[in-house]
Amino acid sequence: DTEVTQTPKHLVMGMTNKKSLKCEQHMGHRAMYWYKQKAKKPPELMFVYSYEKLSINESVPSRFSPECPNSSLLNLHLHALQPEDSALYLCASSASPQRGNTGELFFGEGSRLTVL
Amino acid sequence: AQSVAQPEDQVNVAEGNPLTVKCTYSVSGNPYLFWYVQYPNRGLQFLLKYITGDNLVKGSYGFEAEFNKSQTSFHLKKPSALVSDSALYFCAVSRFYGNNRLAFGKGNQVVVIP
Repeated sequence: DTEVTQTPKHLVMGMTNKKSLKCEQHMGHRAMYWYKQKAKKPPELMFVYSYEKLSINESVPSRFSPECPNSSLLNLHLHALQPEDSALYLCASSASPQRGNTGELFFGEGSRLTVL
Repeated sequence: AQSVAQPEDQVNVAEGNPLTVKCTYSVSGNPYLFWYVQYPNRGLQFLLKYITGDNLVKGSYGFEAEFNKSQTSFHLKKPSALVSDSALYFCAVSRFYGNNRLAFGKGNQVVVIP
């Protein structure tokens, strides 16, 4: 069982909608990630938060807006998406280097997004 | 920059036979290597990692991997494959200890035939 919880599991939205994906972890991890994954492809890094601050943005379009309200929560706000944004969105977390981070990521089950 | 190559798209193996999934890496300095597995409609699960020390690393579900510095390889192995091992397997490399930017390979679909 994963210790990273993502909601919703499935989301269908139109190109004019505004929606949000949510992620929660209670492992005390201080780094949290958003990945985008297309079918049968490796996950692509989108954003990294370290100690609740955005540390990496992989040139993601502004229609994706991340938010880290606290050390346990991570949101991804979606607005004016395109059909090609349809994918599995994965949240992950890892311990911080200062707390003996050995590098492995803990993934949630993902939110499958369909943009019509 | 770091990168990983997984040369095969799909690996077919009969149940009970040994399973090998190949991975080679390219990184300047010491590599930190990982294997993840993804079952259908699920997130990725961590299997094992090499950070330092013994070249043979044991992980979850009976999997192991051998780090070979001279061949820059980190192949995943299991002595006896199960049908339930059918999944998508990703090798990944990080350049720095605790680096937040992993480079994933393209993935290998493993099909275990009953």
